[in-house]
Formats: sequence, C-alpha cells, structure tokens
Amino acid sequence: DAKTTQPPSMDCAEGRAANLPCNHSTISGNEYVYWYRQIHSQGPQYIIHGLKNNETNEMASLIITEDRKSSTLILPHATLRDTAVYYCIVRVANTGNQFYFGTGTSLTVIP
Amino acid sequence: GAVVSQHPSWVICKSGTSVKIECRSLDFQATTMFWYRQFPKQSLMLMATSNEGSKATYEQGVEKDKFLINHASLTLSTLTVTSAHPEDSSFYICSAALPGLKSGNTIYFGEGSWLTVV
Repeated sequence: DAKTTQPPSMDCAEGRAANLPCNHSTISGNEYVYWYRQIHSQGPQYIIHGLKNNETNEMASLIITEDRKSSTLILPHATLRDTAVYYCIVRVANTGNQFYFGTGTSLTVIP
Repeated sequence: GAVVSQHPSWVICKSGTSVKIECRSLDFQATTMFWYRQFPKQSLMLMATSNEGSKATYEQGVEKDKFLINHASLTLSTLTVTSAHPEDSSFYICSAALPGLKSGNTIYFGEGSWLTVV
C-alpha cells in the first residue's frame, strides 16, 4: 500500500515554479523519497530521490523537511511539457524492494 | 539514466490466446524486475516481482497461472498473459532497479505495452 498522500491535482502557470507537496508521515529511517512522473500513455519517468538532505538535479529540486514527514518537489520553471501525473513514493533502497504507487498529483501547466 | 525497454509497444490479440511481453534492462543487470498494470485514469498497480533464476512473487489477487513471469537472465524478464480476455486489456509496464546505493537503487521503467484483447 502507498505510504504517501498527495493532492489530486494542481495547476501552474507556464514559466513559474511548480511546487508539488507530499506527505509521508510514517516514513521509516531507512526509506528514501522518490519522485516520478507519468506523461499520458508512457512509462513513469524518474525525476529525483533523496533520504534526508535536499537534492537538486537538472530536472527538479527535492526539499525534505527535517522530520522527514513531508517533502516538496520543485520544478523551477514549468513548461507545457511538464504536464503529467507526479508520484511521490517512499521505499527502502534495496533492489528487491517494491514500489507501490499512490494516486499522485495531476499537474497541469497553463500557458 | 538507465534504460529499460519493453516489446511490443502495442499488441492486439484474440480472446483465448496468449501474448508475451518482454522487458529488457539495456545497460545494467537486474536481478529483480517488477511488472505493473494500469487501467485508464488509474494509478499503476504492482502485479508481481520477478526474480532472476527463481519464481516470481505475486501480489495478492493476481493470478499466477494467468500471468506467467519468467526471468531467465539478468537482462530479460517476460510476462505472458495466458488465455487472454477483454478484461485483461490494459497498459502493462515493467521496471528494474539500478543496483547501487549511490543511485538509491532507483527503479527505472519501460515504455509500457498496450494490450488489447478482442
């Protein structure tokens, strides 16, 4: 079962930052936070992951609260191509450990 | 990022026949792969965990005799939908974990395979 809670939908103006929240209040000390997105009719695309420190890559930034009970994915300058369903997943970083998806957040970037 | 590839992307089969979907990790070895199913406007549902050289582990409610999984090598897992029926029509997606703590054992997904049973 998914261990995360996300708002079902969000809108963001093109060019502005998109901030997608995720609650994971029952996260364990050895569980990572992963973010993926799924554009219609495609497989999920990896975005970023982190354990407790904030992380940044070419796609996004991940801000994890100090108590690790929530996180925010930031797309700094949203484009129309960022319209997708975004999934936040927590998981122990072991190759045999499954990913369970919640319902995610449907982000619509508005021109 | 790591590449996971599925084949075919689209398949149409007649009711009662079987269809096989392949999942390959192209640039890394995957001891474990995962198979998901997704119905329209729904989230991904984990079907089974495919383990190289051993039997797959199925999620509750997934019929192992209907969805046969074979993980014969470290780069290939196959899902066979046996005696397919229209209700099996769905988007099937595989994934594999890139080994290594540096990568967080991140899972990468294939492009997905659309199955339509007529």
